[in-house]
Amino acid sequence: AQTVTQSQPEMSVQEAETVTLSCTYDTSESDYYLFWYKQPPSRQMILVIRQEAYKQQNATENRFSVNFQKAAKSFSLKISDSQLGDAAMYFCAYRSGNTGTASKLTFGTGTRLQVTL
Amino acid sequence: KAGVTQTPRYLIKTRGQQVTLSCSPISGHRSVSWYQQTPGQGLQFLFEYFSETQRNKGNFPGRFSGRQFSNSRSEMNVSTLELGDSALYLCASSLEGRTERGYTFGSGTRLTVV
Repeated sequence: AQTVTQSQPEMSVQEAETVTLSCTYDTSESDYYLFWYKQPPSRQMILVIRQEAYKQQNATENRFSVNFQKAAKSFSLKISDSQLGDAAMYFCAYRSGNTGTASKLTFGTGTRLQVTL
Repeated sequence: KAGVTQTPRYLIKTRGQQVTLSCSPISGHRSVSWYQQTPGQGLQFLFEYFSETQRNKGNFPGRFSGRQFSNSRSEMNVSTLELGDSALYLCASSLEGRTERGYTFGSGTRLTVV
Protein backbone atom coordinates (compact mmCIF):
# COMPACT_ATOMS: atom_id res chain seq x y z
CA ALA A 1 0.00 0.00 0.00
CA GLN A 2 1.10 3.51 -0.69
CA THR A 3 1.88 5.91 2.14
CA VAL A 4 2.39 9.66 2.20
CA THR A 5 4.38 11.36 4.95
CA GLN A 6 4.43 15.03 5.86
CA SER A 7 6.94 15.48 8.65
CA GLN A 8 6.22 19.13 9.41
CA PRO A 9 3.01 19.52 11.44
CA GLU A 10 3.36 23.31 11.43
CA MET A 11 5.33 25.90 9.52
CA SER A 12 5.48 29.66 9.74
CA VAL A 13 6.55 32.19 7.12
CA GLN A 14 6.63 35.94 6.94
CA GLU A 15 4.60 37.70 4.33
CA ALA A 16 6.51 38.03 1.02
CA GLU A 17 9.01 35.36 2.03
CA THR A 18 9.44 31.85 0.62
CA VAL A 19 8.56 28.61 2.39
CA THR A 20 8.98 24.96 1.46
CA LEU A 21 6.68 22.20 2.68
CA SER A 22 8.01 18.66 2.63
CA CYS A 23 6.34 15.47 1.49
CA THR A 24 7.70 11.97 0.97
CA TYR A 25 5.83 8.95 -0.27
CA ASP A 26 6.32 5.27 -0.58
CA THR A 27 5.17 3.25 -3.56
CA SER A 28 6.29 0.39 -5.75
CA GLU A 29 4.40 1.76 -8.73
CA SER A 30 5.97 3.66 -11.59
CA ASP A 31 2.80 5.35 -12.82
CA TYR A 32 1.19 7.75 -10.39
CA TYR A 33 0.19 11.35 -9.77
CA LEU A 34 0.99 13.66 -6.90
CA PHE A 35 -1.01 16.62 -5.68
CA TRP A 36 -0.87 19.41 -3.16
CA TYR A 37 -4.18 20.50 -1.73
CA LYS A 38 -4.88 23.51 0.47
CA GLN A 39 -7.61 23.46 3.12
CA PRO A 40 -8.47 26.88 4.56
CA PRO A 41 -10.88 27.32 7.49
CA SER A 42 -13.75 27.13 5.00
CA ARG A 43 -12.92 23.37 4.95
CA GLN A 44 -12.98 23.05 1.18
CA MET A 45 -9.97 21.24 -0.25
CA ILE A 46 -8.50 23.33 -3.05
CA LEU A 47 -6.09 21.89 -5.61
CA VAL A 48 -2.85 23.87 -5.59
CA ILE A 49 -0.65 21.95 -7.98
CA ARG A 50 -0.24 18.49 -9.50
CA GLN A 51 2.61 16.44 -10.92
CA GLU A 52 2.61 13.42 -13.17
CA ALA A 53 5.30 10.92 -12.21
CA TYR A 54 6.33 10.33 -15.81
CA LYS A 55 7.17 14.00 -16.27
CA GLN A 56 10.66 15.02 -15.18
CA GLN A 57 9.89 18.71 -15.33
CA ASN A 58 8.73 20.19 -12.03
CA ALA A 59 5.23 21.65 -12.09
CA THR A 60 4.71 25.36 -11.53
CA GLU A 61 1.52 27.35 -10.91
CA ASN A 62 2.17 31.05 -10.40
CA ARG A 63 3.78 31.41 -6.94
CA PHE A 64 3.61 27.67 -6.28
CA SER A 65 6.18 25.19 -7.54
CA VAL A 66 7.24 21.68 -6.66
CA ASN A 67 10.55 19.91 -6.36
CA PHE A 68 9.79 16.38 -7.53
CA GLN A 69 12.58 13.89 -6.85
CA LYS A 70 11.26 10.58 -8.13
CA ALA A 71 14.20 8.43 -7.06
CA ALA A 72 14.07 9.86 -3.57
CA LYS A 73 10.25 9.73 -3.56
CA SER A 74 10.09 13.32 -2.48
CA PHE A 75 7.56 15.96 -3.52
CA SER A 76 8.03 19.30 -1.79
CA LEU A 77 5.97 22.45 -2.33
CA LYS A 78 7.59 25.86 -2.54
CA ILE A 79 5.46 28.94 -1.99
CA SER A 80 7.10 32.16 -3.11
CA ASP A 81 6.09 35.68 -2.10
CA SER A 82 3.83 34.29 0.63
CA GLN A 83 0.54 36.06 1.19
CA LEU A 84 -1.81 36.13 4.17
CA GLY A 85 -4.31 34.18 2.12
CA ASP A 86 -1.87 31.28 1.88
CA ALA A 87 -2.44 30.45 5.54
CA ALA A 88 -4.12 27.05 5.62
CA MET A 89 -3.56 23.33 6.06
CA TYR A 90 -1.65 21.85 3.16
CA PHE A 91 -2.02 18.21 2.23
CA CYS A 92 0.16 16.16 -0.04
CA ALA A 93 -1.73 13.42 -1.88
CA TYR A 94 -0.93 10.42 -4.05
CA ARG A 95 -3.04 8.79 -6.73
CA SER A 96 -2.13 5.54 -8.38
CA GLY A 97 -2.03 5.27 -12.13
CA ASN A 98 -3.39 1.75 -11.77
CA THR A 99 -6.89 1.88 -13.21
CA GLY A 100 -8.16 -0.42 -10.49
CA THR A 101 -7.40 2.05 -7.70
CA ALA A 102 -7.01 5.22 -9.70
CA SER A 103 -9.91 7.05 -8.16
CA LYS A 104 -8.50 6.93 -4.62
CA LEU A 105 -6.35 9.68 -3.12
CA THR A 106 -3.97 8.82 -0.29
CA PHE A 107 -3.27 11.87 1.84
CA GLY A 108 -0.50 12.86 4.18
CA THR A 109 -1.28 14.18 7.66
CA GLY A 110 -0.99 17.79 6.62
CA THR A 111 1.13 20.84 7.42
CA ARG A 112 -0.45 23.90 8.98
CA LEU A 113 1.06 27.02 7.43
CA GLN A 114 0.93 30.30 9.30
CA VAL A 115 1.72 33.55 7.51
CA THR A 116 2.82 36.45 9.67
CA LEU A 117 3.17 40.15 8.93
CA LYS B 1 -20.30 26.97 -12.92
CA ALA B 2 -21.51 25.81 -9.52
CA GLY B 3 -19.07 23.86 -7.40
CA VAL B 4 -19.56 20.68 -5.43
CA THR B 5 -22.42 21.10 -2.99
CA GLN B 6 -22.69 19.13 0.20
CA THR B 7 -25.68 19.19 2.51
CA PRO B 8 -26.15 19.67 5.33
CA ARG B 9 -23.07 21.57 6.49
CA TYR B 10 -23.52 20.54 10.10
CA LEU B 11 -25.30 17.62 11.69
CA ILE B 12 -25.66 16.37 15.25
CA LYS B 13 -26.84 12.81 15.78
CA THR B 14 -27.19 10.47 18.71
CA ARG B 15 -25.23 7.24 19.01
CA GLY B 16 -27.15 4.39 17.41
CA GLN B 17 -29.01 6.55 14.92
CA GLN B 18 -28.38 6.59 11.20
CA VAL B 19 -27.52 9.53 8.98
CA THR B 20 -27.59 10.37 5.29
CA LEU B 21 -25.30 12.94 3.72
CA SER B 22 -25.74 14.39 0.24
CA CYS B 23 -23.30 15.50 -2.43
CA SER B 24 -24.13 17.20 -5.72
CA PRO B 25 -21.15 17.16 -8.08
CA ILE B 26 -20.19 19.75 -10.63
CA SER B 27 -22.48 19.59 -13.62
CA GLY B 28 -21.19 17.02 -16.08
CA HIS B 29 -19.01 15.22 -13.54
CA ARG B 30 -19.86 11.55 -13.28
CA SER B 31 -17.51 10.45 -10.52
CA VAL B 32 -18.10 11.17 -6.84
CA SER B 33 -15.72 10.10 -4.09
CA TRP B 34 -16.21 10.34 -0.35
CA TYR B 35 -13.58 10.93 2.34
CA GLN B 36 -13.68 10.99 6.12
CA GLN B 37 -11.47 13.52 7.88
CA THR B 38 -10.70 13.19 11.60
CA PRO B 39 -7.93 14.65 13.76
CA GLY B 40 -6.69 11.17 14.65
CA GLN B 41 -6.87 9.32 11.33
CA GLY B 42 -6.58 12.22 8.91
CA LEU B 43 -8.20 11.94 5.51
CA GLN B 44 -9.36 8.48 4.57
CA PHE B 45 -11.01 7.28 1.39
CA LEU B 46 -14.48 5.82 1.86
CA PHE B 47 -15.68 4.94 -1.65
CA GLU B 48 -16.14 6.17 -5.18
CA TYR B 49 -19.19 6.03 -7.41
CA PHE B 50 -19.23 6.33 -11.16
CA SER B 51 -22.34 6.06 -13.32
CA GLU B 52 -24.38 4.79 -10.37
CA THR B 53 -21.90 1.98 -9.60
CA GLN B 54 -19.49 1.70 -6.73
CA ARG B 55 -16.13 1.43 -8.39
CA ASN B 56 -13.74 1.58 -5.47
CA LYS B 57 -14.03 1.12 -1.73
CA GLY B 58 -11.83 1.93 1.27
CA ASN B 59 -11.41 0.02 4.51
CA PHE B 60 -14.52 1.00 6.39
CA PRO B 61 -17.11 -1.25 8.04
CA GLY B 62 -20.34 -2.14 6.29
CA ARG B 63 -22.18 0.51 8.33
CA PHE B 64 -20.86 2.97 5.77
CA SER B 65 -22.65 2.78 2.46
CA GLY B 66 -23.45 5.00 -0.44
CA ARG B 67 -25.23 5.30 -3.70
CA GLN B 68 -25.33 7.46 -6.77
CA PHE B 69 -28.33 8.57 -8.74
CA SER B 70 -28.75 8.95 -12.48
CA ASN B 71 -28.06 12.70 -12.20
CA SER B 72 -24.71 11.85 -10.52
CA ARG B 73 -25.78 13.16 -7.14
CA SER B 74 -24.54 10.89 -4.41
CA GLU B 75 -25.56 10.06 -0.88
CA MET B 76 -23.66 8.31 1.82
CA ASN B 77 -25.31 6.61 4.74
CA VAL B 78 -23.92 5.65 8.11
CA SER B 79 -26.02 3.31 10.20
CA THR B 80 -25.78 2.60 13.92
CA LEU B 81 -23.67 5.66 14.56
CA GLU B 82 -20.74 5.46 16.94
CA LEU B 83 -18.95 8.29 18.71
CA GLY B 84 -15.92 7.62 16.52
CA ASP B 85 -17.93 8.46 13.41
CA SER B 86 -17.75 12.13 14.37
CA ALA B 87 -15.83 13.68 11.50
CA LEU B 88 -15.82 16.00 8.54
CA TYR B 89 -17.13 14.13 5.51
CA LEU B 90 -15.88 15.47 2.22
CA CYS B 91 -16.98 14.57 -1.25
CA ALA B 92 -15.03 15.15 -4.42
CA SER B 93 -16.16 15.07 -8.01
CA SER B 94 -14.41 14.66 -11.32
CA LEU B 95 -15.37 14.04 -14.90
CA GLU B 96 -14.63 10.37 -14.82
CA GLY B 97 -12.65 9.61 -11.67
CA ARG B 98 -9.39 8.50 -13.20
CA THR B 99 -8.41 11.99 -14.00
CA GLU B 100 -4.97 13.49 -14.17
CA ARG B 101 -6.34 16.84 -13.16
CA GLY B 102 -7.30 16.12 -9.59
CA TYR B 103 -10.65 16.42 -7.99
CA THR B 104 -12.94 19.25 -6.92
CA PHE B 105 -14.01 19.02 -3.33
CA GLY B 106 -17.04 20.31 -1.51
CA SER B 107 -16.92 22.11 1.84
CA GLY B 108 -17.96 18.99 3.69
CA THR B 109 -20.53 17.96 6.25
CA ARG B 110 -19.45 18.17 9.88
CA LEU B 111 -21.05 15.25 11.69
CA THR B 112 -21.06 15.16 15.46
CA VAL B 113 -22.24 12.01 17.23
CA VAL B 114 -23.24 12.46 20.87
